[in-house]
Amino acid sequence: GEDVEQSLFLSVREGDSSVINCTYTDSSSTYLYWYKQEPGAGLQLLTYIFSNMDMKQDQRLTVLLNKKDKHLSLRIADTQTGDSAIYFCAGLAWGYQKVTFGTGTKLQVIP
Amino acid sequence: IAGITQAPTSQILAAGRRMTLRCTQDMRHNAMYWYRQDLGLGLRLIHYSNTAGTTGKGEVPDGYSVSRANTDDFPLTLASAVPSQTSVYFCASRSQAGTPDTQYFGPGTRLTVL
Repeated sequence: GEDVEQSLFLSVREGDSSVINCTYTDSSSTYLYWYKQEPGAGLQLLTYIFSNMDMKQDQRLTVLLNKKDKHLSLRIADTQTGDSAIYFCAGLAWGYQKVTFGTGTKLQVIP
Repeated sequence: IAGITQAPTSQILAAGRRMTLRCTQDMRHNAMYWYRQDLGLGLRLIHYSNTAGTTGKGEVPDGYSVSRANTDDFPLTLASAVPSQTSVYFCASRSQAGTPDTQYFGPGTRLTVL
């Protein structure tokens, strides 16, 4: 099965860019996702990238995919205090019915 | 449209007691999932159901059972709760229509087993 790893914690100052990294093991992952979990809430889909793409930009969010290194990153430009949350990367392999989640990265934004 | 609802929001339970966590979705999604979230371990899949009438085991199924009598409901039962089952439990359903193939999550149930 898929293993997905992330660093546990990231602290940035308000207005700076945040980069959250993720590595995965299963090269057959079809979709790679970023979810956001705010305190006391469930996970919400932020953005996704299909495995045949290298980059996707969506307003302040940029997703980069390096298939050779099996590395996924999420860049948040002009990070705001409202971006403080836990961010999970996840992968769905073609033909499987289950999504594998990373351990989550807690982003702390310092005003 | 409510999406996915879970009940209870939180519960404190004595070890050895039986407990059922409820999950209901109104999006007519075929696939549903139960995860537990523990610090440093992320989300781990307990059980899943690809469609009504079928269920499957995830990464950490021991001590848990599920049923899927209809499309909307996917209850998770702890037959005899143990302290290691203290966790936050999330139910999710998956839309396989369109792009991307996305999971939608409930708000979670915080369970403490003493």
